[in-house]
Amino acid sequence: QKEVEQNSGPLSVPEGAIASLNCTYSDRGSQSFFWYRQYSGKSPELIMFIYSNGDKEDGRFTAQLNKASQYVSLLIRDSQPSDSATYLCAVNRGGGADGLTFGKGTHLIIQP
Amino acid sequence: DAGVIQSPRHEVTEMGQEVTLRCKPISGHDYLFWYRQTMMRGLELLIYFNNNVPIDDSGMPEDRFSAKMPNASFSTLKIQPSEPRDSAVYFCASSPGLAGQEQYFGPGTRLTVT
Repeated sequence: QKEVEQNSGPLSVPEGAIASLNCTYSDRGSQSFFWYRQYSGKSPELIMFIYSNGDKEDGRFTAQLNKASQYVSLLIRDSQPSDSATYLCAVNRGGGADGLTFGKGTHLIIQP
Repeated sequence: DAGVIQSPRHEVTEMGQEVTLRCKPISGHDYLFWYRQTMMRGLELLIYFNNNVPIDDSGMPEDRFSAKMPNASFSTLKIQPSEPRDSAVYFCASSPGLAGQEQYFGPGTRLTVT
């Protein structure tokens, strides 16, 4: 059974610091990895996706993938109070499109 | 683009009633997904379609659940009869597929079955 594990938190980070969110997955066939942000009462919003080992940067966000360790992470630099949300890690097998398997999310709180 | 559109946004119904949730994907997206989110189980895939054809319905919890996609711009998820444990937020998402695997979610339908 495919599983995606995340620390539920809450993870509390001071404003301006780096927030580090982690995720592990069980299916070695996973090829595509996604980070979604979800504010309370809202729908998941895609932040980043990564397909290859290494780092991928987009603005204040960096996704890191290590397929050998079955580990994916999201770094948020210069954290802002508006970054406070639940961050969902999701994976699929790729090769076209496939349903996503989601972790239960990490609740991030940025303290002003 | 207007994004993924779902209706209704909120639905309150009594146990035993039929519920129909609706979704309009982003134009040009070949894939459509239905997910359910609860506090206990998180976000779970129910079923997905490619070019209007159901590909994987292994996540549909019971025969009480059914989904259709009669054309590229419309899909329904039906629950008949509804039960209190079906209470959840139901999300529809769409993806361009081979052109990109990112999935974009609609605003969701919050279903309450009393």
